[in-house]
Amino acid sequence: NAGVMQNPRHLVRRRGQEARLRCSPMKGHSHVYWYRQLPEEGLKFMVYLQKENIIDESGMPKERFSAEFPKEGPSILRIQQVVRGDSAAYFCASSPTSRTWPSFGEGSWLTVV
Amino acid sequence: GESVGLHLPTLSVQEGDNSIINCAYSNSASDYFIWYKQESGKGPQFIIDIRSNMDKRQGQRVTVLLNKTVKHLSLQIAATQPGDSAVYFCAESYAGGTSYGKLTFGQGTILTVHP
Repeated sequence: NAGVMQNPRHLVRRRGQEARLRCSPMKGHSHVYWYRQLPEEGLKFMVYLQKENIIDESGMPKERFSAEFPKEGPSILRIQQVVRGDSAAYFCASSPTSRTWPSFGEGSWLTVV
Repeated sequence: GESVGLHLPTLSVQEGDNSIINCAYSNSASDYFIWYKQESGKGPQFIIDIRSNMDKRQGQRVTVLLNKTVKHLSLQIAATQPGDSAVYFCAESYAGGTSYGKLTFGQGTILTVHP
């Protein structure tokens, strides 16, 4: 069984460019979560989605960040006009229901230069 | 806002010793506390959880203790092995929230096991 798949694993963007991070949840999982991890810090919740719906985006920055989980295809975390402070590891997790612990992917490391 | 934090940022032990990793939390409304292990370059991996109405739970080589009086959580690893070397995070979940998957993580403790 494939786990949560994230790509790209590493991404380098210049300031002002856009970053798109993709997440394919585990088979049978319709609940997706995005977390951000700054160097030497714990993970911080960003957004929770369930097929085509954003359920909780309380951890998302107000500007430049957006997330989607379309009916078909992976979940996308999009960061527009990246700044150096966006450099971090972004983890996706998925679960089959809202009452089960999520399984995490291996992360996407974004570096803004 | 409320958060989960750790007392010790690093812990070094010898192979075969027992390890104890501590965590302080501040949100008394949390329903579950979870320990995750994160190896270098990988995502967090679930180790064990404990519900807030319990004070102890045991797994394979691991035990989690919860002291609600002082809002303290600990992870005990028996007979620590080099493969246990990783960053350990405590996290909390509130069942009344949007999802169990909305977790609040602590900062992490780096466990290093010397052969």
